[in-house]
Amino acid sequence: GQQVMQIPQYQHVQEGEDFTTYCNSSTTLSNIQWYKQRPGGHPVFLIQLVKSGEVKKQKRLTFQFGEAKKNSSLHITATQTTDVGTYFCAGLSGSARQLTFGSGTQLTVLP
Amino acid sequence: GAVVSQHPSRVICKSGTSVKIECRSLDFQATTMFWYRQFPKKSLMLMATSNEGSKATYEQGVEKDKFLINHASLTLSTLTVTSAHPEDSSFYICSASSPARSTTDTQYFGPGTRLTVL
Repeated sequence: GQQVMQIPQYQHVQEGEDFTTYCNSSTTLSNIQWYKQRPGGHPVFLIQLVKSGEVKKQKRLTFQFGEAKKNSSLHITATQTTDVGTYFCAGLSGSARQLTFGSGTQLTVLP
Repeated sequence: GAVVSQHPSRVICKSGTSVKIECRSLDFQATTMFWYRQFPKKSLMLMATSNEGSKATYEQGVEKDKFLINHASLTLSTLTVTSAHPEDSSFYICSASSPARSTTDTQYFGPGTRLTVL
């Protein structure tokens, strides 16, 4: 079945440093979605990428979808303590409406 | 908009009892609801997909007789953990999606239910 790998599993950064998490799928995706889960909370939808090579920005967050639609990345510029949480990518492939979640990257931002 | 609620938020029960968890879409009609399980510091594992008015589709390895899912209306799905055991202790999260709400299969997650089986 489809597998979505995400690295790194954990990342500690000083406030103000940049952060990137990477996502790789075993199959070509129709779209990829990114979610953020704060400690003790539930996943919250951030963005969806659909087109090959697509790049989207949300303030300090930059999302990319690979040309082959099998990988994606989330980059945060100048992290803040409010960025703390676990970031999950989730891929949708074929006609299935089920998301396959990556293992997540837990981000800790040290003040 | 796109609010999904779950009830209860936390439940503690004795081994052998059954627990029902409700998932409601409050401001939209959810044609499809998903049930996930999440272990501490782990990712979300899809348990089953339910479409309103039809039987749920369970993922491989998920016992359908143990995790009963009912999606009786476009705003409510329930997950019943039958004869719960300590290994069923986990964080259960539902999500809902609707083509009318989003053409891109965005899932809106409930706040989750933390189940502890003693």
